[in-house]
Amino acid sequence: SAVISQKPSRDICQRGTSLTIQCQVDSQVTMMFWYRQQPGQSLTLIATANQGSEATYESGFVIDKFPISRPNLTFSTLTVSNLSPEDSSIYLCSVRQTYNSPLHFGNGTRLTVT
Amino acid sequence: TQLLEQSPQFLSIQEGENLTVYCNSSSVFSSLQWYRQEPGEGPVLLVTVVTGGEVKKLKRLTFQFGDARKDSSLHITAAQPGDTGLYLCAGPETSGSRLTFGEGTQLTVNP
Repeated sequence: SAVISQKPSRDICQRGTSLTIQCQVDSQVTMMFWYRQQPGQSLTLIATANQGSEATYESGFVIDKFPISRPNLTFSTLTVSNLSPEDSSIYLCSVRQTYNSPLHFGNGTRLTVT
Repeated sequence: TQLLEQSPQFLSIQEGENLTVYCNSSSVFSSLQWYRQEPGEGPVLLVTVVTGGEVKKLKRLTFQFGDARKDSSLHITAAQPGDTGLYLCAGPETSGSRLTFGEGTQLTVNP
């Protein structure tokens, strides 16, 4: 299974700033996703990161707030822009090889906005 | 939209007790997956069930997929503190590449 390195593991940011989260996979993967999770709760899909093209965002998430890059099949970044306390959450990178294969997750980035 | 309802949301039990977590939907899923997540880590896949009526065992964990492929259950026998975590069921949407996740069950096993 793919090994996913997500950085940073946690950060404390001030309101109005931005945080960029990196996701590095040790092998080429077809599908990469970004999720948000409140501690102890389920996962909410933010977007699908598409290699070489614009990400596909879920309802309620927009590119201006959550710009995503995916320059190749092993790397992606998620930026959370213009931070507010409501953005405090855990952000998770995940990958899949096929539609029927399971998701593999990074360990997440715990973001606290003050 | 295919929804997965998970119950109970929270469960706190003593070591040695048995428990069952349920994952239900009004929609048919081609398969269902169960994940466990520990604090500070991402979810990790426990099992995938594919065939209606299928039962899979993973040590003290027994997973069942409903005959109609609309529901699944996770039964833990003689729970141990190491079983503590967030359990999530998930199923692939019929359109696209996304997974639908249940709301999760936060399990605490007290020694």
